[in-house]
Amino acid sequence: ETGVTQSPTHLIKTRGQQVTLRCSSQSGHNTVSWYQQALGQGPQFIFQYYREEENGRGNFPPRFSGLQFPNYSSELNVNALELDDSALYLCASSSETGGTGELFFGEGSRLTVL
Amino acid sequence: KNEVEQSPQNLTAQEGEFITINCSYSVGISALHWLQQHPGGGIVSLFMLSSGKKKHGRLIATINIQEKHSSLHITASHPRDSAVYICAVVGSQGNLIFGKGTKLSVKP
Repeated sequence: ETGVTQSPTHLIKTRGQQVTLRCSSQSGHNTVSWYQQALGQGPQFIFQYYREEENGRGNFPPRFSGLQFPNYSSELNVNALELDDSALYLCASSSETGGTGELFFGEGSRLTVL
Repeated sequence: KNEVEQSPQNLTAQEGEFITINCSYSVGISALHWLQQHPGGGIVSLFMLSSGKKKHGRLIATINIQEKHSSLHITASHPRDSAVYICAVVGSQGNLIFGKGTKLSVKP
């Protein structure tokens, strides 16, 4: 039990639709990062939020966007879904930015795009 | 070439064996994480290292910054250790750069 919860756990969308994934961080953690993990691959960094501001982004197009709220919960939004967006989406919270603090991962949201 | 390489990709061991998983990286880092991922997806952080060695129970992690190499060792392996072990380094943006993982299967 990491204290990080993600919802929904599974969902199916069709190409062109939009999706919102949610992450509730561990209490007191002001940094959240999101990752995409395709089947059989390691996770890829999407972006990181610190105190409600994006402070780092990986090689993902602008249709991947996010929000972090004052209670440090977070959302990942993906517009104009493509088949290749099918993946496990993971969020991780930390009390420190910069990746040098202990990370607590959620169980992930598995997205299937048909 | 990936920035983070792990070996082996797959590993099968008998219960009780000593296991080593290796991670090499090609970028400058501020820290390195070892993570464990079980079927279904959940990831658990095992260690965060910036130098030297850490031990937790039967797990030991070492890092050599000069050689850009880290190892994860499991002593007296057990079937419940079966999982994917992932090495991730902290890049210049503070983001994690992940290896592809090592799938470990420990047979009773």
